[in-house]
Amino acid sequence: DADVTQTPRNRITKTGKRIMLECSQTKGHDRMYWYRQDPGLGLRLIYYSFDVKDINKGEISDGYSVSRQAQAKFSLSLESAIPNQTALYFCATAQGALSYEQYFGPGTRLTVT
Amino acid sequence: GQQVMQIPQYQHVQEGEDFTTYCNSSTTLSNIQWYKQRPGGHPVFLIQLVKSGEVKKQKRLTFQFGEAKKNSSLHITATQTTDVGTYFCAGLVEYGNKLVFGAGTILRVKS
Repeated sequence: DADVTQTPRNRITKTGKRIMLECSQTKGHDRMYWYRQDPGLGLRLIYYSFDVKDINKGEISDGYSVSRQAQAKFSLSLESAIPNQTALYFCATAQGALSYEQYFGPGTRLTVT
Repeated sequence: GQQVMQIPQYQHVQEGEDFTTYCNSSTTLSNIQWYKQRPGGHPVFLIQLVKSGEVKKQKRLTFQFGEAKKNSSLHITATQTTDVGTYFCAGLVEYGNKLVFGAGTILRVKS
């Protein structure tokens, strides 16, 4: 079984709809991250969390919100989706203060029409 | 803000040729990591460099971290078709707590 899972894997939604992307991990890691990937732009950090009561904005948090429901679960919400949020979204986990190696989930391809 | 620039954006090589991608940071990094993303896949961690001037090798891959800890390179010797994908560097800002990714270099290998 995969250590980091994301649901759904693909989603098409309409402008203005609320949508939630979910991430679960069995690695026991404290740190969880949400990134979006766009061609030519690499991976950009949306939000990150170092434990259940810790939420931090990344470089592109506008239009997104997150919830860390448990150590193993970190969900990303688009309150009112817009077409320029069409992208590939990755969840990642990491453990340890000195080692920031990140383990990525399989990704969610989101299309907003 | 912190930026990590990566070049080239794209490289197409003949199988057996060498390949190099470079990363440059605007500020000093605590460490730098390299990831590989196969087409249709997710980024997978390759290696982490921490020390100034560090060089590490993994089979045909050689990773370097600059003396000033602001630049890094990944060199692949004698590319194979299995090397195709996008290679990302990611720098940890000194005293920071998150990685900043480069835009990635897409490698295509012609057989």
